[in-house]
Amino acid sequence: DARVTQTPRDKVTEMGQEVTMRCQPILGHNTVFWYRQTMMQGLELLAYFRNRAPLDDSGMPKDRFSAEMPDATLATLKIQPSEPRDSAVYFCASGLVVADDRGGNEYSYNEQFFGPGTRLTVL
Amino acid sequence: SQKIEQNSEALNIQEGKTATLTCNYTNYSPAYLQWYRQDPGRGPVFLLLIRENEKEKRKERLKVTFDTTLKQSLFHITASQPADSATYLCALGVNTGFQKLVFGTGTRLLVSP
Repeated sequence: DARVTQTPRDKVTEMGQEVTMRCQPILGHNTVFWYRQTMMQGLELLAYFRNRAPLDDSGMPKDRFSAEMPDATLATLKIQPSEPRDSAVYFCASGLVVADDRGGNEYSYNEQFFGPGTRLTVL
Repeated sequence: SQKIEQNSEALNIQEGKTATLTCNYTNYSPAYLQWYRQDPGRGPVFLLLIRENEKEKRKERLKVTFDTTLKQSLFHITASQPADSATYLCALGVNTGFQKLVFGTGTRLLVSP
């Protein structure tokens, strides 16, 4: 039963500390997404990778957040330094983009598979 | 401004009834729309996808409609069961050079026995 895994599941840290969250996407998927979920904002896209290349990280605060995919089985999201306003649940999702001959753009109608999330609390 | 609106108040219905959830959007031109279910402490799980050229899609007790003129999608669960209690998220598939999902904040559904 293929699934996205995330570690840690829970993280409590103090303001100013570095936080690293890890994600193992489903084998064979070529896209990885990082989302942040809060009660106020809902699910917000932070970063998007396709074939391990970052395509969009416009949703991330650049000065403190960074996302990487060192290999096809691992995606990381790092916050340094962390702040209390970063407290949220962070989800990783993976999916399969299928090229669609539609004006040169790629479309994927496939679903995204979400991991269980990392609940981050910054004190 | 761009907005996706789902009813923020919980929807309470009795078992056996049909639950109808709405998703309205403004200033988006989605190529498709997806619905996800999220249980407490877990990640969203995909339920259904409907494309812009489709009016209706069904899967077992689930039905989704998509009206691009009204900019609205309706999500129906027929013969609802307490196990259907969860938060339901709509997500618009938009293209900004690449495809991505933009999520609504979700509607919580409570089905009472």
